Amino acid sequence: AQTVTQSQPEMSVQEAETVTLSCTYDTSESNYYLFWYKQPPSRQMILVIRQEAYKQQNATENRFSVNFQKAAKSFSLKISDSQLGDTAMYFCAFHRGNNDMRFGAGTRLTVKP
Amino acid sequence: GAVVSQHPSWVICKSGTSVKIECRSLDFQATTMFWYRQFPKQSLMLMATSNEGSKATYEQGVEKDKFLINHASLTLSTLTVTSAHPEDSSFYICSARADRLVYEQYFGPGTRLTVT
Repeated sequence: AQTVTQSQPEMSVQEAETVTLSCTYDTSESNYYLFWYKQPPSRQMILVIRQEAYKQQNATENRFSVNFQKAAKSFSLKISDSQLGDTAMYFCAFHRGNNDMRFGAGTRLTVKP
Repeated sequence: GAVVSQHPSWVICKSGTSVKIECRSLDFQATTMFWYRQFPKQSLMLMATSNEGSKATYEQGVEKDKFLINHASLTLSTLTVTSAHPEDSSFYICSARADRLVYEQYFGPGTRLTVT
């Protein structure tokens, strides 16, 4: 079974600073996908970034980037130049092939002005 | 991008009644839809996976007779909570997957169910 662990229930960061959210996962598969989703107070799930396990290069989307360490089964999210609108729950998720997506417990991020 | 809608966004029902939640893929065909349940300040827990034209696959611990899932077309899946009780009050989220992109899931905005 695949499990996803987010060890930081809550984090805070000052506006314009950088914050890193941690995620580890457990799998015996070699090909899979990893995601970070943002869930703002509206509760709509928003895809932030995704990483294919077979790609060695870390994914980047504007201010969001990941540090994907396949051997360590680690997938952290770095948010640069944090903005007030980044305040939300962030979920790390694992997806394997044709199967469903599994989510971590989430990290509540608060960006302070 | 692909859009998934849910209806209603919020529903209040009395204990013992049934309520139906619809999940629609608006601009793509979804061969697979997923239903999640989310309690306050918790993560999404997968309830069931439904494939168009076949019976849903329920996760362990989810009562299939209580949470009826129908995926009758490539754009519509429904979740019916039967004989609802206050403990069924939760936030229900659906997601849809287009066949051509196996790993990509698109999430609906969720439905808040309150059972009084």
